[in-house]
Amino acid sequence: AQSVTQPDIHITVSEGASLELRCNYSYGATPYLFWYVQSPGQGLQLLLKYFSGDTLVQGIKGFEAEFKRSQSSFNLRKPSVHWSDAAEYFCAVGPPWGSARQLTFGSGTQLTVLP
Amino acid sequence: DVKVTQSSRYLVKRTGEKVFLECVQDMDHENMFWYRQDPGLGLRLIYFSYDVKMKEKGDIPEGYSVSREKKERFSLILESASTNQTSMYLCASSPPSLQSTNEKLFFGSGTQLSVL
Repeated sequence: AQSVTQPDIHITVSEGASLELRCNYSYGATPYLFWYVQSPGQGLQLLLKYFSGDTLVQGIKGFEAEFKRSQSSFNLRKPSVHWSDAAEYFCAVGPPWGSARQLTFGSGTQLTVLP
Repeated sequence: DVKVTQSSRYLVKRTGEKVFLECVQDMDHENMFWYRQDPGLGLRLIYFSYDVKMKEKGDIPEGYSVSREKKERFSLILESASTNQTSMYLCASSPPSLQSTNEKLFFGSGTQLSVL
């Protein structure tokens, strides 16, 4: 069965600092991978996704993520965090045939940004 | 702008009440989903629908049912609400596959349900 782990429940960074949110997955083949963000009072918004090809994926709002098959990881990064990035971030994994029904979400990482 | 609209942002109900959560999407998507979001547990799939009147149980269907009479509308029903169903409920829609670059799950803003 597929699974996804976000080891950090809560991360605090200062505005302008770099950010890395960790995501580890378990899947028998190369999955497709997503990062979603949930701002307070909002639904989830897609930041980026990986299907195949280039392992470094660029997303919206200046975020990027790198797929590392050897480490079963898909970590999210941003070089300089803005106060508006404070939110909860969810990693998700699904099968390579693109079934939305079989998407599995991680437990989320809450990001706090200090002024 | 594409939208998934959930009818209520906050709901307060009493134990034993029948509760309806409504969701409407305007993207003509085949798939619709109901998730439950709890702190530390992420999103868990309650039910999924891939067409009108078609549904599949998700990972935690107990205590819930769904209805999809029209393509754009997907309702979640709590037949007899219990306190352990206090949670944030998220509706989502998507096309049949997420393989192409622009395809994704579209989420509503959620309904925070409190059962007293």
